[in-house]
Amino acid sequence: GAVVSQHPSWVICKSGTSVKIECRSLDFQATTMFWYRQFPKQSLMLMATSNEGSKATYEQGVEKDKFLINHASLTLSTLTVTSAHPEDSSFYICSAPSLRGTPYEQYFGPGTRLTVT
Amino acid sequence: KQEVTQIPAALSVPEGENLVLNCSFTDSAIYNLQWFRQDPGKGLTSLLLIQSSQREQTSGRLNASLDKSSGRSTLYIAASQPGDSATYLCAVFIQGAQKLVFGQGTRLTINP
Repeated sequence: GAVVSQHPSWVICKSGTSVKIECRSLDFQATTMFWYRQFPKQSLMLMATSNEGSKATYEQGVEKDKFLINHASLTLSTLTVTSAHPEDSSFYICSAPSLRGTPYEQYFGPGTRLTVT
Repeated sequence: KQEVTQIPAALSVPEGENLVLNCSFTDSAIYNLQWFRQDPGKGLTSLLLIQSSQREQTSGRLNASLDKSSGRSTLYIAASQPGDSATYLCAVFIQGAQKLVFGQGTRLTINP
């Protein structure tokens, strides 16, 4: 099956600093990737859709200047949390649909736990 | 706006029982519905995907059904085991907006 990786798996940063999270499709190309955020004991909320070669599409209420998304290639999307604050601490997960196999089936990365101190 | 609801929010049953988790969605314009499992502090594991044209999918002790017209799906777990304890999430991939919308999940505990 299709594999999606994320790096790092966990990160601790100080308030005010920026942190970059990578999402890679290892054995398939992805023109689109999705970024989700999950707070403790809550479900996944879509933050934005990352599009290769064009700007990301952000969900309502998500600050595009704070959560910078760059879909650098057909296998890599990055999410940069700028000027992080403790309320940004969360579990960030990416997904990508494989263009082969079942249409629109989403493959998820293992997630990145961000803690802002 | 698509809304996905899962009932119950939490369920605790003794080992060996068969159980059903429910998922409902408000807009039938979907491409597919996926059931996921999430262990505490971990990512998602895909269990079953049902295309909008399909009625059910089976994998081992799991069976998922889909009634698109009524906006409902069920996940049936047979002969439950303590290792099945996890949060189960359903999600629909909606047409038009081309994105996945999740339910709030059912937290399942199987007692030995």
